[in-house]
Amino acid sequence: DIQMTQSPSTLSASVGDRVTITCRASQSISVWLAWYQQKPGKAPKLLIYKASSLETGVPSRFSGGGSGTEFTLTISSLQPDDFATYYCQHYNSYPWTFGQGTKVEIK
Amino acid sequence: EVRLAESGGGLVQPGGSLRLSCAASGFTFSSFAMNWVRQAPGKGLEWVADISGSSGSIYYADSVKGRFTISRDNSKNTLYLQMDSLRAEDTAIYYCVREQWRVSGVLDSWGQGTLVTVSS
Repeated sequence: DIQMTQSPSTLSASVGDRVTITCRASQSISVWLAWYQQKPGKAPKLLIYKASSLETGVPSRFSGGGSGTEFTLTISSLQPDDFATYYCQHYNSYPWTFGQGTKVEIK
Repeated sequence: EVRLAESGGGLVQPGGSLRLSCAASGFTFSSFAMNWVRQAPGKGLEWVADISGSSGSIYYADSVKGRFTISRDNSKNTLYLQMDSLRAEDTAIYYCVREQWRVSGVLDSWGQGTLVTVSS
């Protein structure tokens, strides 16, 4: 199985900060990576797919990049609504697996 | 508007069985692959199972293979997860999730989840 590792596990930031989360795959997954946002008590929400494609309705301050084994999710200017936990997920082959999550907290 | 509504969760003893259902609306159900994804309390996300629109392709996580069965009834717009031989480690919120149209693996719509607790 392909293992997904996110860093950092927790990130403290302020409104307006530029924030970057990294996701590494244990083997190459090309661009078959998605990012999700989850708020407490809520279901996850798709943000990015195919490493860098923005899901419809997602603000343009979110962007994704990378290919192969290293990927990033960047929030260009952190907003109050963005404090949440973020997960990466590969879909290169079964079983699909998620990273352990990165919690973005208010500094 | 896409709507996915799970039901059937609850408290069950180890070794017991439970069947989850997910009622779908707002889209052509038979055209989309569907999944179950779970999240243990305070933990991360774990993909559980996937079924194609026609039920012709089905995949499971190793952790549930042989114990869980995913199925669907396109005439009723409903997805199911039959869970047998339940273990304490199966305790989780179970989400019904739609895959993006014709893009295997991108999980674009999620239900609110149903809690399954396995405990004596």
